[in-house]
Amino acid sequence: QKEVEQDPGPLSVPEGAIVSLNCTYSNSAFQYFMWYRQYSRKGPELLMYTYSSGNKEDGRFTAQVDKSSKYISLFIRDSQPSDSATYLCAMTRGSTLGRLYFGRGTQLTVWP
Amino acid sequence: EAQVTQNPRYLITVTGKKLTVTCSQNMNHEYMSWYRQDPGLGLRQIYYSMNVEVTDKGDVPEGYKVSRKEKRNFPLILESPSPNQTSLYFCASSLGTSGRVEETQYFGPGTRLLVL
Repeated sequence: QKEVEQDPGPLSVPEGAIVSLNCTYSNSAFQYFMWYRQYSRKGPELLMYTYSSGNKEDGRFTAQVDKSSKYISLFIRDSQPSDSATYLCAMTRGSTLGRLYFGRGTQLTVWP
Repeated sequence: EAQVTQNPRYLITVTGKKLTVTCSQNMNHEYMSWYRQDPGLGLRQIYYSMNVEVTDKGDVPEGYKVSRKEKRNFPLILESPSPNQTSLYFCASSLGTSGRVEETQYFGPGTRLLVL
């Protein structure tokens, strides 16, 4: 079993929709959780990171971690066509980047 | 301008012919890492380095070697490439100097490798 599972989609939503992206994981030692966004033909860029359980909000983006269920989510409110990209979750055991475990990525299209 | 550079950007080679993909950053970053990205498999870490002369295996290190003799460079070496190493490769370095999670990784432009 892969340590991090992520539904690859594709996911297609109309502009303005609320988008929910999710990952599950099997290793309870993971403490830091990240979301990366990757536009076509580009390298990934860090969107948000959270530590342990809880919520974190940054503008239209909210990251949630439920360690008891080993489940993390990224919500995008008022989605825009510019949000169309692949979203990858990643996680690590410690507070330094070190060895990172990525999900397969979810391809999102927001149509106008 | 702060950047991570990779060379070559595109490479076609044959099985067994040793090759090196270079990665260089001009930001004095301590943390550097190599990834490969394949359709349906996402991004997988090959090797990472927390500092000069300190390297460690990621998720898929088999068939690859790395070295970190100086802070700015982190080459990826394929001693005997095979077709299953055909992939898109990304080098990355941390924006901070301590490689902490909140210090976002800055990715290079990618190297497309085809092994025949």
